[in-house]
Amino acid sequence: DQQVKQNSPSLSVQEGRISILNCDYTNSMFDYFLWYKKYPAEGPTFLISISSIKDKNEDGRFTVFLNKSAKHLSLHIVPSQPGDSAVYFCAAISNTDKLIFGTGTRLQVFP
Amino acid sequence: DTAVSQTPKYLVTQMGNDKSIKCEQNLGHDTMYWYKQDSKKFLKIMFSYNNKELIINETVPNRFSPKSPDKAHLNLHINSLELGDSAVYFCASTPGLAREAFFGQGTRLTVV
Repeated sequence: DQQVKQNSPSLSVQEGRISILNCDYTNSMFDYFLWYKKYPAEGPTFLISISSIKDKNEDGRFTVFLNKSAKHLSLHIVPSQPGDSAVYFCAAISNTDKLIFGTGTRLQVFP
Repeated sequence: DTAVSQTPKYLVTQMGNDKSIKCEQNLGHDTMYWYKQDSKKFLKIMFSYNNKELIINETVPNRFSPKSPDKAHLNLHINSLELGDSAVYFCASTPGLAREAFFGQGTRLTVV
């Protein structure tokens, strides 16, 4: 049972435009959400997070939005850059302190 | 100055063998983890150790045994390797609760 879902396996965006990556979850006990970025042959690196008491968190070009009623979060990257091309994983934590990951979305930013 | 380092990066071995993957973190973190990324790209937690004590043990075959000699090291030993064990194994660490985990570069295990 996949508790964290990323329904788009891939996304292609032109450089300078906005990239929007989506994530849905089913467990209402999740209280903290994270996005990780992964390049080939490397481990995931933490990008940005949001607590369930907030609906938005911004860090430079990256903004995460959380809609608790819809159990949905999204990562906005603007403007997108070629170096942003990677696989992005959404993850969630409940009081069990286990990171539950989505299956990832491969973002390609083209010139 | 690699924060979380795993060795080896690649491991090819025959079915039935026993192998170990080592992990070390120099961040002073209290909690370390092993994750498995299978062929479908699911990243799933296997084990979690806090100050050398096991705190999370997911439904993992007994052939997998983590060992934490000190809080900076968490090694993974796998007995009687099977084809289905082929995956990428990631070590990670956090300063306390599993929030912003730092991951190693992964060990790609191929069982032939």
